Amino acid sequence: KAGVTQTPRYLIKTRGQQVTLSCSPISGHRSVSWYQQTPGQGLQFLFEYFSETQRNKGNFPGRFSGRQFSNSRSEMNVSTLELGDSALYLCASSWSGRDKETQYFGPGTRLLVL
Amino acid sequence: GENVEQHPSTLSVQEGDSAVIKCTYSDSASNYFPWYKQELGKRPQLIIDIRSNVGEKKDQRIAVTLNKTAKHFSLHITETQPEDSAVYFCAASSDGQNFVFGPGTRLSVLP
Repeated sequence: KAGVTQTPRYLIKTRGQQVTLSCSPISGHRSVSWYQQTPGQGLQFLFEYFSETQRNKGNFPGRFSGRQFSNSRSEMNVSTLELGDSALYLCASSWSGRDKETQYFGPGTRLLVL
Repeated sequence: GENVEQHPSTLSVQEGDSAVIKCTYSDSASNYFPWYKQELGKRPQLIIDIRSNVGEKKDQRIAVTLNKTAKHFSLHITETQPEDSAVYFCAASSDGQNFVFGPGTRLSVLP
């Protein structure tokens, strides 16, 4: 089974721009979660999508948004980029069934904001 | 909401010794506790997990213990090897939702 994939792998943007990141979950997984990882803050939860609906949301400003498509692929958008948004953005997918909670991470998108 | 603490933040051990990393959680509804290993520049990889109906689980040199009453769980690595050097994250989840991660432990195995 193919793993979680994310595109692009690397991205450089300037302040004020917007960016869209993409995540394709493992086939059959319906839950996709997004995380921001920085050296100072560790792994911080952004939001989780399940069946095209945002089910959970972390404490990030409204500039961070996402969506999920009917094939469970998910996109994350950050508008009006700030220097502090430079981070590794990871998505993780899981079945989200009662006994199948195991979450698998993608390789991440490394975003640098200049 | 859930809060997960993890200690120590850094850990250095001699090759062949054991390493123990401890995590505590706050939400009694959490029932699934995975551990991830993240090598430099790579994605977190699940190495072992435990569910709330189990007290201990082993997989070769790795074991995890869970104390639901005290709300803490630990990762034990025996006979450590240089390739065990990485950052380890614990997490707590309720029924596959709301994964909350600990801040991570940087493990260095010295030859």
